[in-house]
Amino acid sequence: QVRLQESGPGRVKPSETLSLTCTVSGYSISDNYWSWIRQSPGRGLEWIGYIYKNGSTNYRPSLKSRVTMSVDTATNQISLRLTSVTAADTALYYCARARVYCDTASCYSDDAFDIWGQGTLVTVSS
Amino acid sequence: DIQLTQSPSFLSASLGDRVTITCRASEDIKNYLAWYQQKPGKAPKLLIYDASTLQGGVPSRLSGSGSGTEFTLTITSLQPEDFATYYCQQLYSYPVTFGPGTKVDIK
Repeated sequence: QVRLQESGPGRVKPSETLSLTCTVSGYSISDNYWSWIRQSPGRGLEWIGYIYKNGSTNYRPSLKSRVTMSVDTATNQISLRLTSVTAADTALYYCARARVYCDTASCYSDDAFDIWGQGTLVTVSS
Repeated sequence: DIQLTQSPSFLSASLGDRVTITCRASEDIKNYLAWYQQKPGKAPKLLIYDASTLQGGVPSRLSGSGSGTEFTLTITSLQPEDFATYYCQQLYSYPVTFGPGTKVDIK
């Protein structure tokens, strides 16, 4: 059974850096793209970006200057760093797996998210 | 960014009802649309991808249709486990975006 578990501090002070980890079990992170998505009452569901096993990334343009994602295949973990946080970054943060589908020739990935973690709430407050 | 709107925002329905939720995109997204269900305290759950293909394990009373800019999610014969919030998502272009959600509540 594939499971994703987010972890990290529940509170971050304004202007500091938010750091979260997503631990994947039951599945190799080398086999897929992985996204971070956040949810807040004001912004709804907001895709932050994705990372692939080779380190290639694609970030939401509005967050690109503050976001860094990384993968650690040895520990099967994906990480998110968001710098210079403000109250607007207060949200429930999810990691999610991109759907993989295969034909006779190869396997592909799209950005429908078929497995999600339970989410971790991050509050930006002094 | 591609904007998604959903209507209605809130829907009150009874067990056994047929409900339809509409998602509209600000530009043509072909069939690159997914639907999710979210219950309180839980992560979203993928229901439909490619606008009309049911994810494994999703009951057949749910269906999706549409292409281009207008899409629908239909639930025939609403069951207790269907009371939740539903979101559409476009995966046609980056950044991927989600609709604001439709909450289906018990009448």
